[in-house]
Amino acid sequence: DGGITQSPKYLFRKEGQNVTLSCEQNLNHDAMYWYRQDPGQGLRLIYYSQIVNDFQKGDIAEGYSVSREKKESFPLTVTSAQKNPTAFYLCASSPEGLAKNIQYFGAGTRLSVL
Amino acid sequence: GQSLEQPSEVTAVEGAIVQINCTYQTSGFYGLSWYQQHDGGAPTFLSYNALDGLEETGRFSSFLSRSDSYGYLLLQELQMKDSASYFCAVLNSGGYQKVTFGTGTKLQVIP
Repeated sequence: DGGITQSPKYLFRKEGQNVTLSCEQNLNHDAMYWYRQDPGQGLRLIYYSQIVNDFQKGDIAEGYSVSREKKESFPLTVTSAQKNPTAFYLCASSPEGLAKNIQYFGAGTRLSVL
Repeated sequence: GQSLEQPSEVTAVEGAIVQINCTYQTSGFYGLSWYQQHDGGAPTFLSYNALDGLEETGRFSSFLSRSDSYGYLLLQELQMKDSASYFCAVLNSGGYQKVTFGTGTKLQVIP
């Protein structure tokens, strides 16, 4: 089945540790996105990528890093510089053309700090 | 910059009709989308408007007025399962496909 797979579902980070959240899609979509959602809040854009080997900072990129070496993969690293990483992280992708503003989301990763 | 405003909470009775409004400010506009998110789940796409007017998809309809920078989502024949958060989102018309989401409206459907 086509879709977006995020792993792990739950992740715990120790003080000073970098952690990487995985996002894989088999929808053949060009654009991919990472969002952060805090309890009772909306989605805030961390990074987005329109094509392979290219990505742009979103509204809250500080303390995060990404790579886009393959079309189907867009991993997010939460670095030790992100002092308040506890949140729900959502990965999404979207196709080109008329459906540009339709995003397909993964099931998300819940990150907590130990 | 871009900003979107939605009411934070709405309560409606099962079987009724409810309208969720969204006003936006953006430096470039391509279209307005609506997403539904149940507690603990991921957002799912509901509807999209690129042009002025009403788009209907089953019990859900979405309206856009570009001149007023305003849109709304209309939910008819409300069911208990419609209790969720609803987000509007705009795609800017610049070189990159950047999407900005509203803060969301939590809809509670009561018997």
